[in-house]
Amino acid sequence: DAKTTQPNSMESNEEEPVHLPCNHSTISGTDYIHWYRQLPSQGPEYVIHGLTSNVNNRMASLAIAEDRKSSTLILHRATLRDAAVYYCILRSYGGSQGNLIFGKGTKLSVKP
Amino acid sequence: GAGVSQSPSNKVTEKGKDVELRCDPISGHTALYWYRQSLGQGLEFLIYFQGNSAPDKSGLPSDRFSAERTGGSVSTLTIQRTQQEDSAVYLCASSPGGGMGEKLFFGSGTQLSVL
Repeated sequence: DAKTTQPNSMESNEEEPVHLPCNHSTISGTDYIHWYRQLPSQGPEYVIHGLTSNVNNRMASLAIAEDRKSSTLILHRATLRDAAVYYCILRSYGGSQGNLIFGKGTKLSVKP
Repeated sequence: GAGVSQSPSNKVTEKGKDVELRCDPISGHTALYWYRQSLGQGLEFLIYFQGNSAPDKSGLPSDRFSAERTGGSVSTLTIQRTQQEDSAVYLCASSPGGGMGEKLFFGSGTQLSVL
């Protein structure tokens, strides 16, 4: 299964943009890139996903490199509520574990 | 509408006892996942149900763990002869189908403590 690599932790200041990187150099053409986040003491929640083109929604933006070997989750103005562990995941048909394998993620801290 | 519901939210049991954890997925969702998360750790896949297909049980850590999904809806995760290392948060998620572009909806989890 295709794997992702993320930094263990990142820090941000409140109301500043945050760019969370993810490397997926072994991505295949049919892999979707998904991002989830997990706030303390809660189950993960969906953030955004994409295949080839950049995506925007009310929570965040997803920038996908042209070769698709990396992507960046962008939080435009971090708030204290955005402090969470962010998971970058690849999904493809025929993969194992329900086609959704969580790595260790990036723990984002937001300073007031 | 209602999200994914898990019960109980907390379960304390004694070592050696059996426990059952319940997951009510979102109505109409055909895909259902179980994960567990030990303190400070990431999510560990346990089992995946998709429609009428045979479940993917590749993540179940031992034969003490089993899960079923009745009528394609509610799922029960059973742990027999619980051990202290089974203590964790057990998370359930569902999605509309098996599409790779779909998002998963997670429940709040069951905190299992084995004394």
